[in-house]
Amino acid sequence: AQTVTQSQPEMSVQEAETVTLSCTYDTSENNYYLFWYKQPPSRQMILVIRQEAYKQQNATENRFSVNFQKAAKSFSLKISDSQLGDTAMYFCAFSEGAGSYQLTFGKGTKLSVIP
Amino acid sequence: ETGVTQTPRHLVMGMTNKKSLKCEQHLGHNAMYWYKQSAKKPLELMFVYNFKEQTENNSVPSRFSPECPNSSHLFLHLHTLQPEDSALYLCASSPGGGSGEETQYFGPGTRLLVL
Repeated sequence: AQTVTQSQPEMSVQEAETVTLSCTYDTSENNYYLFWYKQPPSRQMILVIRQEAYKQQNATENRFSVNFQKAAKSFSLKISDSQLGDTAMYFCAFSEGAGSYQLTFGKGTKLSVIP
Repeated sequence: ETGVTQTPRHLVMGMTNKKSLKCEQHLGHNAMYWYKQSAKKPLELMFVYNFKEQTENNSVPSRFSPECPNSSHLFLHLHTLQPEDSALYLCASSPGGGSGEETQYFGPGTRLLVL
């Protein structure tokens, strides 16, 4: 069974600074998908960024980028120029390839952006 | 944030009550999901429906009964729940097809308290 581990229950960062959230996973699959979801306080969970395991290039979405290390089974999220609206729970998630509906989540990291 | 809606947003029920949670998606998706989110635990996938057919049931107790009358609506019928069932219940949808790479779109959740 796949597992996803987020080792940082809580983190804080000063506004405009950069922060990196860690995620490791365990799988025997070769092709799979990784996601970072964001859940702001009392608001809906939304996708931040996703990565396909067969792509070597790290995904980026504006201020959000990932460091995907397939051999190490590591998938960290970097947030640059942190903004107050980035305050949220961040969940790392894993999905197998074709035919799978199972999205396995980590326990989440609570990020606070400090003015 | 109105693509997936859930009602009610808050629910308090006794252990002998019967209640239902409703989810509706306006995104034209074909797959819908129920998740349970408890404090300090990863999101737990409960049920998956793809084109109205149940494709996943992750060993969920029978006191939770899903219903998917069409691709836009999903219900979770609750009866004789236990206090440990208190949690945030999230609904999600995705395009469907089980490719594993699909982004899931989440509703705001129903906060359930079982007394």
